[in-house]
Amino acid sequence: QVQLQQSGAELAKPGSSVKISCKASGYTFTSYDISWIKQTTGQGLEYIGYINTGSGGTYYNEKFKGKATLTVDKSSSTAFMQLSSLTPEDTAVYYCARQELRVPDYWGQGVMVTVSS
Amino acid sequence: DIQMTQSPSLLSASVGDRVTLSCKASQNIYKYLNWYQQKLGEAPKLLIYYTNSLQTGIPSRFSGSGSGTDYTLTISSLQPEDVATYFCQQYNSWPNTFGAGTKLELK
Repeated sequence: QVQLQQSGAELAKPGSSVKISCKASGYTFTSYDISWIKQTTGQGLEYIGYINTGSGGTYYNEKFKGKATLTVDKSSSTAFMQLSSLTPEDTAVYYCARQELRVPDYWGQGVMVTVSS
Repeated sequence: DIQMTQSPSLLSASVGDRVTLSCKASQNIYKYLNWYQQKLGEAPKLLIYYTNSLQTGIPSRFSGSGSGTDYTLTISSLQPEDVATYFCQQYNSWPNTFGAGTKLELK
């Protein structure tokens, strides 16, 4: 069955970076894109962008350009998202999701990122 | 960005009720509309894609309809396990955007 296993919770200081992972199983990794979504209580769900796992091509929501960097390691069927120059506004749950024809269909369990000094 | 407005924000209903949730886009999204269910502490789960296509494994009591700017998710007979927050999402225009959600509770 399709599974997306994300890395564990992160506690980071303002100005630092974190890199979270999303390991896929149960399907052919390079046949689907991986999208990333941010969820906060205040702003709800926000679409960060997605990566074509075959070509490595990336597509970012303008709001997250410079904040998020999406990469993949095809050899391990793992997608990564690095968040840089962290501020308290980056505190959120971050989800990865398999995406087919621009529809995020299977989601990871989410990673809580807390930014605090 | 396209704004997605869901109503109501909170809905109370009884087991067996027919429940209708609404989602309105700020412009025509040509049926590129998904519905997700999120239970407390869990990730969102895809229920319906492209307005009315039922995702694999989702019970047939869930259905979707709509066109243009106005879309609806219907639960034909509410079950206790349907207590959750429901989100709509458009994917006609970049970036994809989500509604703020409708929280469904049992009366």
